[in-house]
Amino acid sequence: KNEVEQSPQNLTAQEGEFITINCSYSVGISALHWLQQHPGGGIVSLFMLSSGKKKHGRLIATINIQEKHSSLHITASHPRDSAVYICAVSPGNQFYFGTGTSLTVIP
Amino acid sequence: KAGVTQTPRYLIKTRGQQVTLSCSPISGHRSVSWYQQTPGQGLQFLFEYFSETQRNKGNFPGRFSGRQFSNSRSEMNVSTLELGDSALYLCASSTRTTSGSGTDTQYFGPGTRLTVL
Repeated sequence: KNEVEQSPQNLTAQEGEFITINCSYSVGISALHWLQQHPGGGIVSLFMLSSGKKKHGRLIATINIQEKHSSLHITASHPRDSAVYICAVSPGNQFYFGTGTSLTVIP
Repeated sequence: KAGVTQTPRYLIKTRGQQVTLSCSPISGHRSVSWYQQTPGQGLQFLFEYFSETQRNKGNFPGRFSGRQFSNSRSEMNVSTLELGDSALYLCASSTRTTSGSGTDTQYFGPGTRLTVL
């Protein structure tokens, strides 16, 4: 049973394209997190959401609590955005992770 | 502020041995969580420590244990290693002030890559 489903699994885009990564979850949550993992393993927290929408630079994250769905958008994608993007949810007692979306942005 | 540090960065052990991994959180952070990442299972939550007490635990066998010291540094121990324990072990710290709210940003360390032969 997967508490968190992400799509797509793999994504290749041309530099400058608008990118959307989707995350659906099946548990009640306190918050949803979007993480970025570069080759070599380092993980950076991009967003933490419990409602609405957040924006940081070219990245936008939205969440619909009623539909149990979140999206991560990257505007004007750049090769340095190439990484694995992971959705994680917390019902309050632990974290559940999606399998990640591997993004490659081609110059 | 210095980030989260983990030692060692790489480790090779053989089946049946035990291993201890260390994590030093960001100064002032009292919560430390541990995660296992494998190609097959992805990221999985191991446990969380807050103020020297284990507050939450994932679905891992009792061979996986941990502790937290008064300075918030944490150690994770895996006994009787199995081949399937080969993974990247990540710790993360946060400023969590209440148990298990899940509403704080996690700051991840670089991880310890454990190989079990």
